[in-house]
Amino acid sequence: EAGVVQSPRYKIIEKKQPVAFWCNPISGHNTLYWYRQNLGQGPELLIRYENEEAVDDSQLPKDRFSAERLKGVDSTLKIQPAELGDSAVYLCASSPGWEQYFGPGTRLTVT
Amino acid sequence: AQSVTQLDSQVPVFEEAPVELRCNYSSSVSVYLFWYVQYPNQGLQLLLKYLSGSTLVKGINGFEAEFNKSQTSFHLRKPSVHISDTAEYFCAVSTSTSYGKLTFGQGTILTVHP
Repeated sequence: EAGVVQSPRYKIIEKKQPVAFWCNPISGHNTLYWYRQNLGQGPELLIRYENEEAVDDSQLPKDRFSAERLKGVDSTLKIQPAELGDSAVYLCASSPGWEQYFGPGTRLTVT
Repeated sequence: AQSVTQLDSQVPVFEEAPVELRCNYSSSVSVYLFWYVQYPNQGLQLLLKYLSGSTLVKGINGFEAEFNKSQTSFHLRKPSVHISDTAEYFCAVSTSTSYGKLTFGQGTILTVHP
């Protein structure tokens, strides 16, 4: 069974530039999550989808972050414009129930 | 709201020695507890989980954890570690009123020395 796929794995951009991350969850998993992991810390939830509906986006900085999950499968997380403080690892996870399965993450560096 | 505290940021240990990584949680409702492992430049992998039933749960790679409700703890143990166990370990909690929302601890870096 293929795991959660994320791309790109690494991204370096200058501040004020836009950036997008893509996630393909495990087949059949209706729930999809985006997390941000700052250096030396645990992941923090940004948004949770049930199929194509965002059911918890309370931690998503909506002034610059947006996300979508078209057709309830793949998802894209976008930042526009990026700030220095956005440098982190962005993790995608999917779940059939209580267990969450994580992708390898995208390491974003904003210079 | 729930919270998790991992009491040790780093734990050095020699190969074949036992190890315990400590985790305490705070919640006013029923909890569901998880331990994840993260190897360098990789995502998180589920080691074990407590949802209900027996308070002693066994996971992959020889790890086990015990849910102690009175002490609000969920410590991770392994009787004999290997070099390959070197990684960062995260304790996480979800609750009966926050389905799908995992709150993670700060992580414990386990370093196994030969």
